[in-house]
Amino acid sequence: KAGVTQTPRYLIKTRGQQVTLSCSPISGHRSVSWYQQTPGQGLQFLFEYFSETQRNKGNFPGRFSGRQFSNSRSEMNVSTLELGDSALYLCASSYYRPGANTGELFFGEGSRLTVL
Amino acid sequence: ELKVEQNPLFLSMQEGKNYTIYCNYSTTSDRLYWYRQDPGKSLESLFVLLSNGAVKQEGRLMASLDTKARLSTLHITAAVHDLSATYFCAVSPSGDGGSQGNLIFGKGTKLSVKP
Repeated sequence: KAGVTQTPRYLIKTRGQQVTLSCSPISGHRSVSWYQQTPGQGLQFLFEYFSETQRNKGNFPGRFSGRQFSNSRSEMNVSTLELGDSALYLCASSYYRPGANTGELFFGEGSRLTVL
Repeated sequence: ELKVEQNPLFLSMQEGKNYTIYCNYSTTSDRLYWYRQDPGKSLESLFVLLSNGAVKQEGRLMASLDTKARLSTLHITAAVHDLSATYFCAVSPSGDGGSQGNLIFGKGTKLSVKP
C-alpha cells in the first residue's frame, strides 16, 4: 500500500512569492492534515480536511490556505511568502471510521520550503 | 489550551542502558501517540494509546498512558545505536467523532545512543 506522497520535496522561493504544496493520502484515507515543522516552534497544526471540508484550523494567518479534492488529495497554499515561512511542511492522512477510530496519523516525507 | 511537555529534550545514552522519556499534558485527553523522526525524514508512528492504563511494547520500546496523571512514558530497554532519533509524543484534544487531525505535539526528545 503506497504511503502519503508529497510534492515537491524541496523548493526555494523568494519573499513575496506564493507556493502550492500537494499531498496524496493513503488510499482509503479521507482525512488529511497539514503541519509546519520548524526548529524554533516545533510541529504546529495548520489545518485538517475531511471529505472536502475544512474540519479544523490552527493558529496561522490567512496567507495559509488549503483545500481537498473529491479524490481526497489535498493542496496547501502560502501566499506572500515571508522568511519565517521557511519550514518542513508535513501532510498526514488518517482513516476515519465512527466508533472505531484510532486517530493515528500517517505522515508523508514532507516538502521543505526555503524562503530567501 | 492543551499543552504537551516532554522531558528530557536531549538524552545521550550508552548502549545497553535503560531510560525513560516523559510526556505530560495539561488537559483531559485519552488519546496519546508516540512518533519517531530520523534526521531529514518524516514521522513514523510508534504507538497509539487510547485508554487509561494502556501499555504497548515493540522491541526495546514500551509506552504507557496514565490519563489520571496526564502522563505517558516511553521506556527504552537496553538501548542500541539504531534507536538514535527524535521521539515525539502527541495528544489529541478531541475524542472519537471529533477532529482527529489536530494533534498537539511535544517539543521532542533527541536521543543519541553511543557505543
